[in-house]
Amino acid sequence: GNSVTQMEGPVTLSEEAFLTINCTYTATGYPSLFWYVQYPGEGLQLLLKATKADDKGSNKGFEATYRKETTSFHLEKGSVQVSDSAVYFCGMSHSGYSTLTFGKGTMLLVSP
Amino acid sequence: EPEVTQTPSHQVTQMGQEVILRCVPISNHLYFYWYRQILGQKVEFLVSFYNNEISEKSEIFDDQFSVERPDGSNFTLKIRSTKLEDSAMYFCASKNSNSNQPQHFGDGTRLSIL
Repeated sequence: GNSVTQMEGPVTLSEEAFLTINCTYTATGYPSLFWYVQYPGEGLQLLLKATKADDKGSNKGFEATYRKETTSFHLEKGSVQVSDSAVYFCGMSHSGYSTLTFGKGTMLLVSP
Repeated sequence: EPEVTQTPSHQVTQMGQEVILRCVPISNHLYFYWYRQILGQKVEFLVSFYNNEISEKSEIFDDQFSVERPDGSNFTLKIRSTKLEDSAMYFCASKNSNSNQPQHFGDGTRLSIL
């Protein structure tokens, strides 16, 4: 069936370190892929998206590239900040109504 | 920027009681969703709603659950007889008609069943 797998957290980094959060998916057809971020006490906010193979989504210094050959959508940022501390969810939509399937979420903790 | 709003932010209910969670989607959106997140687990799809009817639902969304759009602005999730395992964060989301557009989420309602 359709599923999303992302790396277990927490990921603990120092400020200005490089970030990678891995995400892979299983789906029929060609889903759209998303990264959402959840700051403490808040809801899910869209961070970036990609709707077809080789698309790169980017926002606030974060990037992710839709890789059909490896069914992956890894999230990267070159230099993290303390304010990036949050839970990051990889998701995909795979039906005409765009129901989202999420991974378990990865907590990122950035220390000064 | 318009946003999805959910009330209450925290609901505490006795097991077996009915609970209604409320959402006001973004005004020009046409597709509405409920998701839940049990503590420490993934965000799970419950139900989608379009054109005044359920368009898709998960196996979690059994006969205890119902959704309604009672007027032009609210979208509610009702749980008829709550169980301990219904304790979770419940997120409402909405999107406009373009299928490639993302869903916009509310801040969630934390439901605690005692």
